[in-house]
Amino acid sequence: GAVVSQHPSRVICKSGTSVKIECRSLDFQATTMFWYRQFPKQSLMLMATSNEGSKATYEQGVEKDKFLINHASLTLSTLTVASAHPEDSSFYICSARDYPQETQYFGPGTRLLVL
Amino acid sequence: SQQGEEDPQALSIQEGENATMNCSYKTSINNLQWYRQNSGRGLVHLILIRSNEREKHSGRLRVTLDTSKKSSSLLITASRAADTASYFCATDAGPGTALIFGKGTTLSVSS
Repeated sequence: GAVVSQHPSRVICKSGTSVKIECRSLDFQATTMFWYRQFPKQSLMLMATSNEGSKATYEQGVEKDKFLINHASLTLSTLTVASAHPEDSSFYICSARDYPQETQYFGPGTRLLVL
Repeated sequence: SQQGEEDPQALSIQEGENATMNCSYKTSINNLQWYRQNSGRGLVHLILIRSNEREKHSGRLRVTLDTSKKSSSLLITASRAADTASYFCATDAGPGTALIFGKGTTLSVSS
C-alpha cells in the first residue's frame, strides 16, 4: 500500500526554537496533504489542509503564523512550528490521499517536546 | 474540529470475548473509516465503509453504518490481547476533504 513518511520522528527543543517537520508520500503523488495534532489521551484534531502550489487552509483556532505549512511539491509538505512553546508539545501527524483511492494514508507521527 | 462521539470511551474485556464500539457523527458523509492506534504510535487503517453500504466485513472485523441515525459500529470478534489499542472512527465529506475523527474508544483485552 501507499506509504507516507515523516521526519523527524521525535524532537526535543528549547522554548523559542522553530521546528520543521517533513511529510513525504513515498510512492504516490499527493496534491493534498493534511496535518493533525494529537494531545495525550485525545483524538486527532485537524490543523490544516495543505494543497500543492497554494496556501494552506487552516482550521478555526489554528494560528497560521505559528504553524507554517509549505507544500512545495507533489510528494512533500512541511510544517514549521515557529517559536515553539511548551504548550505546543504534542504528537503531529500528517496524511495524504492517493487518488483515485479513498483511503487516507497516515505518517508515523512526530512527537514534539518543548522544554 | 471533531465529528462526534465514540461510545464507550473505554472498554475492558477478556480474550475471546467480542468488543463492540459505536461512533456517531453530525454531518453528511461520503465514507466512514475505522482506525486503530497503539499507545504512542501511528494510525493503522482497518476498514472503510461507503455511505451507500450498510455492512462490511474484514477478518474478525464487522462494521455497520446507519446513515439515518448517523452512526456506525465496529465489532471485533474473538478478541486477542494484541487488539488492545485505541480505536477511532473518521468521516469525510467527499473527495479531497479531510478525515474528521471521533474521540475514540480505548480497548483493553486481558488474557
